[in-house]
Amino acid sequence: RKEVEQDPGPFNVPEGATVAFNCTYSNSASQSFFWYRQDCRKEPKLLMSVYSSGNEDGRFTAQLNRASQYISLLIRDSKLSDSATYLCVVNSGAGSYQLTFGKGTKLSVIP
Amino acid sequence: SQTIHQWPATLVQPVGSPLSLECTVEGTSNPNLYWYRQAAGRGLQLLFYSVGIGQISSEVPQNLSASRPQDRQFILSSKKLLLSDSGFYLCAWSFTLYSGSADTQYFGPGTRLTVL
Repeated sequence: RKEVEQDPGPFNVPEGATVAFNCTYSNSASQSFFWYRQDCRKEPKLLMSVYSSGNEDGRFTAQLNRASQYISLLIRDSKLSDSATYLCVVNSGAGSYQLTFGKGTKLSVIP
Repeated sequence: SQTIHQWPATLVQPVGSPLSLECTVEGTSNPNLYWYRQAAGRGLQLLFYSVGIGQISSEVPQNLSASRPQDRQFILSSKKLLLSDSGFYLCAWSFTLYSGSADTQYFGPGTRLTVL
């Protein structure tokens, strides 16, 4: 089983749409969770950390379900500039310096 | 604020040639440092990480090596490149949490390596 699994997409959505991405992880000891975005041929950049209670940052909402080992990202009112690949990232547990990256979900927002 | 630099931005090298990629971090002390590779159409693969000067942990056995000669300098090297070494090489840094767990990682702009 892959450690961090994401639907690769692509998700093609019109401007203004709401889109949701899901991610599952296999390591029940994971304690830190993140969403990164990666533009084509660029480095990944932190979008937001994901907290147990769920958290929101403007148009972006992240949710964590530890019991199901499931993370989600919701983007409301999509903009053209949201087009990118979204990477789900988890750490390897307490005392670990390692993060495991999913392969990403590609989003294209269409005019 | 912290910044991370990588160079060169792009590199084309023949098979069998040596490699040296450099990464430096500014604005923080004793960061954790990481080298990743992202092959075309694939996820990020952790190659090495370092929690201090001279301390290197290898995740993937291969013909690459890493060194940390100074607190904020991380170098990725190879004596002889293979075709399969082509990819996007990313350096990252993070703070160290007291628990020793991984904190948010911040990436440099990367080096795109093509081995011919």
